[in-house]
Amino acid sequence: GGIITQTPKFLIGQEGQKLTLKCQQNFNHDTMYWYRQDSGKGLRLIYYSITENDLQKGDLSEGYDASREKKSSFSLTVTSAQKNEMAVFLCASSWDWGAQNTLYFGAGTRLSVL
Amino acid sequence: AQSVTQPDARVTVSEGASLQLRCKYSYSATPYLFWYVQYPRQGLQLLLKYYSGDPVVQGVNSFEAEFSKSNSSFHLQKASVHWSDSAVYFCAGGDSNYQLIWGSGTKLIIKP
Repeated sequence: GGIITQTPKFLIGQEGQKLTLKCQQNFNHDTMYWYRQDSGKGLRLIYYSITENDLQKGDLSEGYDASREKKSSFSLTVTSAQKNEMAVFLCASSWDWGAQNTLYFGAGTRLSVL
Repeated sequence: AQSVTQPDARVTVSEGASLQLRCKYSYSATPYLFWYVQYPRQGLQLLLKYYSGDPVVQGVNSFEAEFSKSNSSFHLQKASVHWSDSAVYFCAGGDSNYQLIWGSGTKLIIKP
Protein backbone atom coordinates (compact mmCIF):
# COMPACT_ATOMS: atom_id res chain seq x y z
CA GLY A 1 0.00 0.00 0.00
CA GLY A 2 0.90 3.62 -0.27
CA ILE A 3 0.70 6.71 1.85
CA ILE A 4 0.01 10.40 1.44
CA THR A 5 2.07 12.69 3.64
CA GLN A 6 1.02 16.26 4.26
CA THR A 7 3.29 18.85 5.84
CA PRO A 8 3.00 20.65 8.09
CA LYS A 9 0.29 19.06 10.24
CA PHE A 10 -0.48 22.42 11.85
CA LEU A 11 0.07 25.86 10.35
CA ILE A 12 -0.42 29.15 12.16
CA GLY A 13 -0.17 32.25 10.06
CA GLN A 14 -0.65 35.98 10.22
CA GLU A 15 -3.21 37.94 8.25
CA GLY A 16 -1.93 38.69 4.75
CA GLN A 17 0.84 36.11 4.93
CA LYS A 18 1.60 33.75 2.05
CA LEU A 19 1.50 30.15 3.31
CA THR A 20 2.54 26.94 1.54
CA LEU A 21 1.23 23.45 2.21
CA LYS A 22 2.96 20.36 0.81
CA CYS A 23 1.75 16.90 -0.14
CA GLN A 24 3.68 13.78 -1.15
CA GLN A 25 2.26 10.46 -2.38
CA ASN A 26 3.97 7.16 -3.10
CA PHE A 27 1.05 5.41 -4.80
CA ASN A 28 2.40 6.49 -8.21
CA HIS A 29 -1.05 7.98 -8.87
CA ASP A 30 -1.48 10.34 -11.82
CA THR A 31 -4.11 12.64 -10.31
CA MET A 32 -3.78 14.71 -7.16
CA TYR A 33 -6.23 17.04 -5.43
CA TRP A 34 -6.41 19.75 -2.81
CA TYR A 35 -9.65 20.05 -0.85
CA ARG A 36 -10.71 22.46 1.85
CA GLN A 37 -12.78 21.12 4.75
CA ASP A 38 -14.71 23.59 6.90
CA SER A 39 -16.63 22.53 9.96
CA GLY A 40 -20.15 21.38 9.05
CA LYS A 41 -19.53 21.57 5.33
CA GLY A 42 -18.59 19.07 2.68
CA LEU A 43 -15.22 19.00 1.00
CA ARG A 44 -14.67 21.71 -1.58
CA LEU A 45 -12.19 21.25 -4.41
CA ILE A 46 -9.52 23.93 -4.66
CA TYR A 47 -7.16 22.59 -7.33
CA TYR A 48 -6.45 19.30 -9.01
CA SER A 49 -3.73 18.01 -11.31
CA ILE A 50 -4.15 15.22 -13.84
CA THR A 51 -0.44 14.72 -14.35
CA GLU A 52 2.92 16.32 -13.64
CA ASN A 53 2.94 20.06 -14.48
CA ASP A 54 -0.83 20.08 -15.08
CA LEU A 55 -3.06 22.35 -12.98
CA GLN A 56 -6.84 22.64 -13.02
CA LYS A 57 -8.96 25.01 -10.95
CA GLY A 58 -11.72 23.71 -8.76
CA ASP A 59 -14.70 25.64 -7.44
CA LEU A 60 -12.70 27.29 -4.64
CA SER A 61 -9.47 28.29 -6.40
CA GLU A 62 -9.64 32.03 -5.76
CA GLY A 63 -7.03 33.01 -3.20
CA TYR A 64 -4.91 29.93 -3.85
CA ASP A 65 -2.10 28.83 -6.17
CA ALA A 66 -0.87 25.30 -6.76
CA SER A 67 2.21 23.61 -8.16
CA ARG A 68 2.86 20.05 -9.43
CA GLU A 69 6.53 19.87 -10.43
CA LYS A 70 6.83 16.14 -9.80
CA LYS A 71 4.35 13.30 -10.16
CA SER A 72 4.66 12.48 -6.47
CA SER A 73 4.19 15.98 -5.04
CA PHE A 74 1.54 18.69 -5.09
CA SER A 75 1.83 22.01 -3.26
CA LEU A 76 -0.83 24.53 -2.36
CA THR A 77 -0.18 28.18 -1.55
CA VAL A 78 -2.59 30.43 0.31
CA THR A 79 -1.72 33.72 -1.38
CA SER A 80 -2.96 36.00 1.41
CA ALA A 81 -4.21 34.46 4.64
CA GLN A 82 -7.51 35.85 5.92
CA LYS A 83 -7.84 36.93 9.56
CA ASN A 84 -9.54 34.33 11.83
CA GLU A 85 -9.56 31.78 9.03
CA MET A 86 -9.66 28.20 10.29
CA ALA A 87 -9.86 25.19 8.02
CA VAL A 88 -8.41 21.78 7.29
CA PHE A 89 -6.75 21.27 3.93
CA LEU A 90 -6.82 17.73 2.62
CA CYS A 91 -4.63 16.36 -0.13
CA ALA A 92 -5.80 13.31 -2.07
CA SER A 93 -4.72 11.22 -5.03
CA SER A 94 -6.24 8.74 -7.45
CA TRP A 95 -5.15 6.66 -10.42
CA ASP A 96 -7.14 8.73 -12.87
CA TRP A 97 -9.41 11.75 -13.18
CA GLY A 98 -13.15 11.22 -12.95
CA ALA A 99 -15.69 10.63 -10.21
CA GLN A 100 -15.47 6.84 -10.57
CA ASN A 101 -12.03 6.77 -8.99
CA THR A 102 -11.35 6.00 -5.35
CA LEU A 103 -9.60 8.85 -3.59
CA TYR A 104 -6.80 8.29 -1.08
CA PHE A 105 -6.39 11.06 1.47
CA GLY A 106 -3.69 12.47 3.66
CA ALA A 107 -4.35 13.33 7.30
CA GLY A 108 -4.64 17.05 6.58
CA THR A 109 -3.04 20.37 7.42
CA ARG A 110 -4.90 22.43 10.00
CA LEU A 111 -4.66 26.15 9.34
CA SER A 112 -5.30 28.91 11.85
CA VAL A 113 -4.81 32.56 10.99
CA LEU A 114 -4.32 35.08 13.79
CA ALA B 1 -28.32 21.27 -10.19
CA GLN B 2 -26.41 18.22 -9.05
CA SER B 3 -26.24 17.77 -5.30
CA VAL B 4 -25.57 15.35 -2.47
CA THR B 5 -27.35 15.94 0.82
CA GLN B 6 -26.78 14.42 4.24
CA PRO B 7 -29.71 15.70 6.30
CA ASP B 8 -28.35 14.68 9.71
CA ALA B 9 -25.36 16.58 11.06
CA ARG B 10 -25.12 14.30 14.13
CA VAL B 11 -26.46 10.84 14.90
CA THR B 12 -26.21 9.19 18.31
CA VAL B 13 -26.71 5.45 18.75
CA SER B 14 -26.02 2.99 21.54
CA GLU B 15 -23.23 0.48 21.15
CA GLY B 16 -24.64 -2.72 19.70
CA ALA B 17 -27.61 -0.97 18.10
CA SER B 18 -28.26 -0.77 14.38
CA LEU B 19 -27.37 2.31 12.36
CA GLN B 20 -28.62 4.15 9.33
CA LEU B 21 -26.97 7.29 7.97
CA ARG B 22 -28.95 9.04 5.27
CA CYS B 23 -27.77 10.35 1.92
CA LYS B 24 -29.88 11.81 -0.88
CA TYR B 25 -28.57 12.66 -4.31
CA SER B 26 -29.83 14.74 -7.21
CA TYR B 27 -28.45 13.79 -10.62
CA SER B 28 -30.02 13.42 -14.04
CA ALA B 29 -28.53 9.93 -14.40
CA THR B 30 -27.29 7.42 -11.84
CA PRO B 31 -24.01 8.76 -10.52
CA TYR B 32 -21.11 6.95 -8.92
CA LEU B 33 -21.89 6.98 -5.21
CA PHE B 34 -19.47 6.66 -2.33
CA TRP B 35 -19.34 6.56 1.44
CA TYR B 36 -16.11 7.69 3.09
CA VAL B 37 -15.27 7.73 6.80
CA GLN B 38 -13.02 10.16 8.64
CA TYR B 39 -11.67 9.06 12.02
CA PRO B 40 -10.37 11.76 14.37
CA ARG B 41 -7.23 13.49 13.08
CA GLN B 42 -7.10 11.26 10.01
CA GLY B 43 -7.85 11.62 6.33
CA LEU B 44 -10.91 10.13 4.70
CA GLN B 45 -11.03 6.42 3.87
CA LEU B 46 -13.33 4.66 1.42
CA LEU B 47 -16.03 2.51 2.99
CA LEU B 48 -17.84 1.44 -0.19
CA LYS B 49 -18.89 2.59 -3.64
CA TYR B 50 -21.70 1.91 -6.10
CA TYR B 51 -22.35 2.45 -9.76
CA SER B 52 -24.55 -0.32 -11.07
CA GLY B 53 -25.71 -3.85 -10.32
CA ASP B 54 -26.94 -5.14 -6.98
CA PRO B 55 -28.39 -2.14 -5.14
CA VAL B 56 -27.00 -3.41 -1.83
CA VAL B 57 -23.27 -2.82 -1.65
CA GLN B 58 -21.03 -4.38 0.96
CA GLY B 59 -18.16 -2.38 2.39
CA VAL B 60 -15.45 -2.64 5.00
CA ASN B 61 -16.12 -3.25 8.70
CA SER B 62 -19.59 -4.77 7.99
CA PHE B 63 -21.01 -1.56 6.59
CA GLU B 64 -23.38 -1.76 3.66
CA ALA B 65 -25.36 0.75 1.66
CA GLU B 66 -28.54 0.48 -0.33
CA PHE B 67 -29.07 2.39 -3.56
CA SER B 68 -32.63 3.44 -4.35
CA LYS B 69 -33.34 5.07 -7.70
CA SER B 70 -36.96 5.79 -6.83
CA ASN B 71 -35.98 7.59 -3.62
CA SER B 72 -32.71 9.07 -4.96
CA SER B 73 -31.03 7.73 -1.86
CA PHE B 74 -27.89 5.86 -0.87
CA HIS B 75 -28.22 5.20 2.87
CA LEU B 76 -25.43 3.62 4.88
CA GLN B 77 -26.30 0.85 7.34
CA LYS B 78 -24.70 -1.34 9.93
CA ALA B 79 -26.42 -4.04 11.96
CA SER B 80 -24.49 -3.53 15.20
CA VAL B 81 -22.21 -0.56 15.89
CA HIS B 82 -19.04 -0.60 17.94
CA TRP B 83 -17.49 2.30 19.85
CA SER B 84 -14.70 2.37 17.26
CA ASP B 85 -17.24 3.38 14.61
CA SER B 86 -17.32 6.88 16.10
CA ALA B 87 -16.29 9.12 13.22
CA VAL B 88 -17.58 11.51 10.59
CA TYR B 89 -19.17 9.87 7.57
CA PHE B 90 -19.32 11.53 4.16
CA CYS B 91 -21.48 10.63 1.21
CA ALA B 92 -20.26 11.72 -2.23
CA GLY B 93 -21.46 11.38 -5.80
CA GLY B 94 -20.40 12.23 -9.31
CA ASP B 95 -20.27 11.14 -12.91
CA SER B 96 -17.14 10.19 -14.79
CA ASN B 97 -16.63 13.56 -16.46
CA TYR B 98 -16.85 15.73 -13.41
CA GLN B 99 -15.57 16.11 -9.92
CA LEU B 100 -17.18 14.52 -6.92
CA ILE B 101 -19.83 16.42 -5.02
CA TRP B 102 -19.67 15.90 -1.28
CA GLY B 103 -22.33 15.88 1.39
CA SER B 104 -21.71 17.93 4.52
CA GLY B 105 -20.97 14.89 6.66
CA THR B 106 -22.68 13.14 9.57
CA LYS B 107 -20.91 12.85 12.90
CA LEU B 108 -21.65 9.47 14.47
CA ILE B 109 -21.55 9.31 18.26
CA ILE B 110 -21.67 5.93 19.98
CA LYS B 111 -23.10 5.78 23.50
CA PRO B 112 -21.69 3.09 25.79
